[in-house]
Amino acid sequence: LAKTTQPISMDSYEGQEVNITCSHNNIATNDYITWYQQFPSQGPRFIIQGYKTKVTNEVASLFIPADRKSSTLSLPRVSLSDTAVYYCLVGDIRDTGRRALTFGSGTRLQVQP
Amino acid sequence: EPEVTQTPSHQVTQMGQEVILRCVPISNHLYFYWYRQILGQKVEFLVSFYNNEISEKSEIFDDQFSVERPDGSNFTLKIRSTKLEDSAMYFCASTGRGYQETQYFGPGTRLLVL
Repeated sequence: LAKTTQPISMDSYEGQEVNITCSHNNIATNDYITWYQQFPSQGPRFIIQGYKTKVTNEVASLFIPADRKSSTLSLPRVSLSDTAVYYCLVGDIRDTGRRALTFGSGTRLQVQP
Repeated sequence: EPEVTQTPSHQVTQMGQEVILRCVPISNHLYFYWYRQILGQKVEFLVSFYNNEISEKSEIFDDQFSVERPDGSNFTLKIRSTKLEDSAMYFCASTGRGYQETQYFGPGTRLLVL
């Protein structure tokens, strides 16, 4: 799995848009980018996955530039309940669904009222 | 929405005792995993299981650990002789057959070894 780098922590206020960027300079051709969310004392939860350009679902958007060396998770109008740790994972789609996931330290997002 | 369930939610045990952590993966899933997370640390992979055998394991998963799928629904992790350092949250996960499937995690079992 490609090594990823993301900020250790971020602070935001309710109603703001939050963008968390992940660097993955060594991403390989077959690698996809996947983001997970983890609330305290709970298991990680899949948020979004993409390969290039932009992916959007009901929870978040994922922006991936043409060189794919970074990606940005965008959370629109965060609320207090979005306070969590967000993990960026990069791996071969043929593997990531089946093989071990390697979690880094993630980005701890704290949303204030 | 289908979900992975785990029991018990909390377990306290004495050092040296055996514990069995139980998981019910999502019903049509084929790949099963155990991860653990020591308090304040990263989520770490332990083992993956497919077709009734271990397909991958980490260095953490030593002879003290074993996994089993005793029937068509349960997936268990056994720690034979617990150590203080086994205290952690243990997460079960499962995924389906497709290439773009993601892993779905259970709520975890908090294990405390005294």
